[in-house]
Amino acid sequence: SQQGEEDPQALSIQEGENATMNCSYKTSINNLQWYRQNSGRGLVHLILIRSNEREKHSGRLRVTLDTSKKSSSLLITASRAADTASYFCATKDNYGQNFVFGPGTRLSVLP
Amino acid sequence: GAVVSQHPSWVICKSGTSVKIECRSLDFQATTMFWYRQFPKQSLMLMATSNEGSKATYEQGVEKDKFLINHASLTLSTLTVTSAHPEDSSFYICSARASKSSYNSPLHFGNGTRLTVT
Repeated sequence: SQQGEEDPQALSIQEGENATMNCSYKTSINNLQWYRQNSGRGLVHLILIRSNEREKHSGRLRVTLDTSKKSSSLLITASRAADTASYFCATKDNYGQNFVFGPGTRLSVLP
Repeated sequence: GAVVSQHPSWVICKSGTSVKIECRSLDFQATTMFWYRQFPKQSLMLMATSNEGSKATYEQGVEKDKFLINHASLTLSTLTVTSAHPEDSSFYICSARASKSSYNSPLHFGNGTRLTVT
């Protein structure tokens, strides 16, 4: 079954605005990661948050994790046209090797 | 560091032929590589886990005789789509985990291969 679910599926904002994407999952996790995918390319790791962490920052990125609600959010501040991409959350449980990817949010930042 | 090279980036082939896609870790050793399939505007679907020196582990519903995986060295895994048909047209992506990293570490992805079967 799908582990991560993201919303919104698509988001269109103006340059300079903030973008918030949410991810929900179903089972216990070891960590949750966010990846970015430019059109027709592979995924690039953005940030990892462990299950015992609540918030993490990296540059213009801010990730929160609420394990009681089994949800995470990715905030991109002061967005740029170059941030246009699809963003995926991926969860990793404590047992297997595999990550499970959510359906992704397609972000469009308009100049 | 941690670069994964996937080749070719795109390929067009005729129905019934086979296509091989290579995934190489350029600056690290990867005991484990993963192969995914991605449909337009959708997420990644894990096809199989490729382990160096042993048989790949396929996800439910993925035909192992159709999608042959070989992981003969610590830096190379190949996916061969045999007897390709138009429904095999898709975007295939590989990822690798460095041998020295834990299961919880981030994955490093290739840039994907766009396969079109005519």
